[in-house]
Amino acid sequence: DQQVKQNSPSLSVQEGRISILNCDYTNSMFDYFLWYKKYPAEGPTFLISISSIKDKNEDGRFTVFLNKSAKHLSLHIVPSQPGDSAVYFCAASARAGGTSYGKLTFGQGTILTVHP
Amino acid sequence: SAVISQKPSRDICQRGTSLTIQCQVDSQVTMMFWYRQQPGQSLTLIATANQGSEATYESGFVIDKFPISRPNLTFSTLTVSNMSPEDSSIYLCSLKTSLSGNTIYFGEGSWLTVV
Repeated sequence: DQQVKQNSPSLSVQEGRISILNCDYTNSMFDYFLWYKKYPAEGPTFLISISSIKDKNEDGRFTVFLNKSAKHLSLHIVPSQPGDSAVYFCAASARAGGTSYGKLTFGQGTILTVHP
Repeated sequence: SAVISQKPSRDICQRGTSLTIQCQVDSQVTMMFWYRQQPGQSLTLIATANQGSEATYESGFVIDKFPISRPNLTFSTLTVSNMSPEDSSIYLCSLKTSLSGNTIYFGEGSWLTVV
């Protein structure tokens, strides 16, 4: 039962254009969502997060949108740069379960390639 | 965010042996966790490392296989016991702090290959 899904295994974008990475979830208990960037054999780097009380959060070139009714979130990167090339993971968490947002459920990741 | 140091960063291990991964943080944290990423897979929570008491394991993970210690607020260890090739993974220490809110930060990971 995959509760967080990233249906696009890969995305290729031209430098300067917008990158849009998508994520869907099924568990209505999730109320905090995060995006991480990851290189092979390294730990994930936190990018941006959003609480379910918001529908948008922006930090520099990164914006996350949340559509609760559709159980869908997306990460927009504008403008895209070659250094953004990496695997991007969507993750979701909830207060419930005893870990108090410590248990992240991850999607399968999307490989972003930004071409110069 | 807190600085998380993991050792070893990578290792090649013999089948049947055990290896202990150390995680050191430069400041006191509220919660520490251990995750695993198997090749081609996503990240999965192994357990919550509780300070001064037994870790809380997720479904599918047991203390005999993955003993965890957390003697103080800035240090934790994860041991992968009696390793088999299926244990080849990146093991990741992660944490929350009082300043990070609900955001989890990860260490650089320990990449273990079991041969």
